[in-house]
Amino acid sequence: GENVEQHPSTLSVQEGDSAVIKCTYSDSASNYFPWYKQELGKGPQLIIDIRSNVGEKKDQRIAVTLNKTAKHFSLHITETQPEDSAVYFCAASNFAQGGSEKLVFGKGTKLTVNP
Amino acid sequence: DVKVTQSSRYLVKRTGEKVFLECVQDMDHENMFWYRQDPGLGLRLIYFSYDVKMKEKGDIPEGYSVSREKKERFSLILESASTNQTSMYLCAAAGIGNTEAFFGQGTRLTVV
Repeated sequence: GENVEQHPSTLSVQEGDSAVIKCTYSDSASNYFPWYKQELGKGPQLIIDIRSNVGEKKDQRIAVTLNKTAKHFSLHITETQPEDSAVYFCAASNFAQGGSEKLVFGKGTKLTVNP
Repeated sequence: DVKVTQSSRYLVKRTGEKVFLECVQDMDHENMFWYRQDPGLGLRLIYFSYDVKMKEKGDIPEGYSVSREKKERFSLILESASTNQTSMYLCAAAGIGNTEAFFGQGTRLTVV
């Protein structure tokens, strides 16, 4: 089955710096790669996603890149702010005909943005 | 604006008890998931369901079962709770075609 590795497990940056989180996946059939942010006491919430037919996607200060050949994808946060402090999870899924879409997560990265 | 509701935020049960964790979604989504979250281990998939009465095992199904009798409700059952099942349990729902998964607030279960 699919296995998603995520690095680093913790990341500390100064406000205004950039943060990069990297993930690799094992199943070449995976075709959907979302990123979730989990704030303290809450469930994870989608912040950006990318599908396998796209190499890069950007939404304001957040961008995701995908390298299908190497089977890795990354989250980039620019101009970090204290409110970006949270745990970030990458995930991979394979939408196959028939409706079975198993969403597998990495172990998470705790990002701390220091003022 | 509530989309996924888990019946309890905190639950304390005794070893050997049968435990039911309930999850209800109001989005008419086909896919529903149960995850377990532990420090350093991330979100591990226990079971998921892609249709009423349909279920598939995730990565750690041992000691758990699930029930999906109605589209909006997905229940996680601990047949005989053990202390190593003390954890945060998260339910999620998503439409077909790799759409956004919406999570509940989580249930922190303590087995004593």
